[in-house]
Amino acid sequence: GAGVSQTPSNKVTEKGKYVELRCDPISGHTALYWYRQSLGQGPEFLIYFQGTGAADDSGLPNDRFFAVRPEGSVSTLKIQRTERGDSAVYLCASSPLREGGEQFFGPGTRLTVL
Amino acid sequence: DAKTTQPNSMESNEEEPVHLPCNHSTISGTDYIHWYRQLPSQGPEYVIHGLTSNVNNRMASLAIAEDRKSSTLILHRATLRDAAVYYCILRGNSGGSNYKLTFGKGTLLTVNP
Repeated sequence: GAGVSQTPSNKVTEKGKYVELRCDPISGHTALYWYRQSLGQGPEFLIYFQGTGAADDSGLPNDRFFAVRPEGSVSTLKIQRTERGDSAVYLCASSPLREGGEQFFGPGTRLTVL
Repeated sequence: DAKTTQPNSMESNEEEPVHLPCNHSTISGTDYIHWYRQLPSQGPEYVIHGLTSNVNNRMASLAIAEDRKSSTLILHRATLRDAAVYYCILRGNSGGSNYKLTFGKGTLLTVNP
């Protein structure tokens, strides 16, 4: 079956611009997660959705970052006024269980801020 | 979050067993030990998890020390496709601690042909 998909696979933008990164989870998965991975580091948790609501957004670095999941399926990570330090691979994962289940990751979106 | 310690890198030869160690001396009694791996240019993928007993699945085996302060991921016959970064992660089993994964830097496994 189809796995988690993320679009675009690569995004190059200029400092100060706004970007949106999309995640399509596995159909039926109620839990959705966003992580960010900098070069040479492990992924770092950003936000967790259970259904439509953000159950934990404690990993979002600042108020320039925002994520939505309006219908409990597709999610969009939004970054305003991008900075060079935002350059990283943004990973999305989904899980069929409420909590604690195996997470299925997408291939990520590589964001480069020039 | 309880911390894990892994070697930065390990090397193996194809078709030989690989033992990837992980230390987690501050593990709590309810923490599960999870292993994920990340192949080049891909997202992480689940490998195996356990609580106290050793576990086997089609990908690997997980050996957990009796005091649970360490564990070892065992790949019985390494292939070139097993070359990846392997992450050992502790995960609680109740609300607030069991949904997000806290990754360290992991172990980069190189498999030589």
